[in-house]
Amino acid sequence: QQQVKQSPQSLIVQKGGISIINCAYENTAFDYFPWYQQFPGKGPALLIAIRPDVSEKKEGRFTISFNKSAKQFSLHIMDSQPGDSATYFCAASMMVGAQKLVFGQGTRLTINP
Amino acid sequence: KAGVTQTPRYLIKTRGQQVTLSCSPISGHRSVSWYQQTPGQGLQFLFEYFSETQRNKGNFPGRFSGRQFSNSRSEMNVSTLELGDSALYLCASSKRGQGTEAFFGQGTRLTVV
Repeated sequence: QQQVKQSPQSLIVQKGGISIINCAYENTAFDYFPWYQQFPGKGPALLIAIRPDVSEKKEGRFTISFNKSAKQFSLHIMDSQPGDSATYFCAASMMVGAQKLVFGQGTRLTINP
Repeated sequence: KAGVTQTPRYLIKTRGQQVTLSCSPISGHRSVSWYQQTPGQGLQFLFEYFSETQRNKGNFPGRFSGRQFSNSRSEMNVSTLELGDSALYLCASSKRGQGTEAFFGQGTRLTVV
């Protein structure tokens, strides 16, 4: 019940296209859902996060869509650029003990120029 | 503003030895969490420290321990190292109770031979 399932494992998108990564969770006590971006040799960097009281959050080219009834959330990267090539992780946690993040398995995104 | 600093960046240890990793959080952040990242298991939560007390613990054996000092710096110790402990160990800091954003360091790459 603590798992967060992420798909796909890898994704190749052409420059300018839309990259979509999906995550699903089981634990309805989760109420904080961040996305992290990780480049080789670096630690994960917080990209964008959402709480379940909203269905969508947009920051620049990055959008999180959240479906509470389906227990799913997704990351959309609009106008994908080669510099977006990285591994993306979704995560979930509870406000109580919010520092205990449960991560998805990651998606390796490649943007072809 | 300095980010999360982890030292050392790389370590090679022999099976059976013990190792201590260090993490200095962002100034003003009092919560420090530790994660293990491996290709097979992904990112897994080890434990969280706040105000020098362990607040959350993941599902790892007792060989993994930690502590936090009064200046919020944290150390993680692994005793009796096993080959399977080879991983990237990441530390994340946050302002517990004022938001749940966790900021990661670059990690310590531990190789057990």
